Amino acid sequence: GEDVEQSLFLSVREGDSSVINCTYTDSSSTYLYWYKQEPGAGLQLLTYIFSNMDMKQDQRLTVLLNKKDKHLSLRIADTQTGDSAIYFCAEIRRGSQGNLIFGKGTKLSVKP
Amino acid sequence: EAQVTQNPRYLITVTGKKLTVTCSQNMNHEYMSWYRQDPGLGLRQIYYSMNVEVTDKGDVPEGYKVSRKEKRNFPLILESPSPNQTSLYFCASSLAQSSGANVLTFGAGSRLTVL
Repeated sequence: GEDVEQSLFLSVREGDSSVINCTYTDSSSTYLYWYKQEPGAGLQLLTYIFSNMDMKQDQRLTVLLNKKDKHLSLRIADTQTGDSAIYFCAEIRRGSQGNLIFGKGTKLSVKP
Repeated sequence: EAQVTQNPRYLITVTGKKLTVTCSQNMNHEYMSWYRQDPGLGLRQIYYSMNVEVTDKGDVPEGYKVSRKEKRNFPLILESPSPNQTSLYFCASSLAQSSGANVLTFGAGSRLTVL
């Protein structure tokens, strides 16, 4: 199976909350990341969380980490059309020389 | 402006014609990496470099070469491109990767088509 799994698509209405989910399989993962890729652009770091944290909040973004279930989520409050993009979950494993393992990405579509 | 610059952004070439995709960063980053992005497969790492003259294979290195003669540059070389190397390529760099969060800065991408 995949190391990092995400659903491929999510569609929400403008103003609603979006929740993008990610599961990972390696309990030794030290850092977990969310990157955003807008059309025609490279990936931009949205946020990251250290594995000893349960939650991290940054303005409209909330990251929740459930280590027991190896589940990571990204919640975007008051989703805007500008949030339409592909969101990648990534992990960095202890002992991996710091290389990131990416999920396949979730394409978020925001309908007006 | 702190950035990772890739060139060319778009390239159409033919099978077997050697090409190089350049990558340069102006942030004095030690770590650099190349990824390819394909539909349904996400990002897969091709090669990475922890510092000057230190390179290592990622998950999909076949058909590619890299070099790291200077800290700022990390070119990706396709000696004999084939159609299965048609992809979107990203270069990325970070300050440090041996410990702590490895926060990558990505280039804008290079879309390569091999006919």
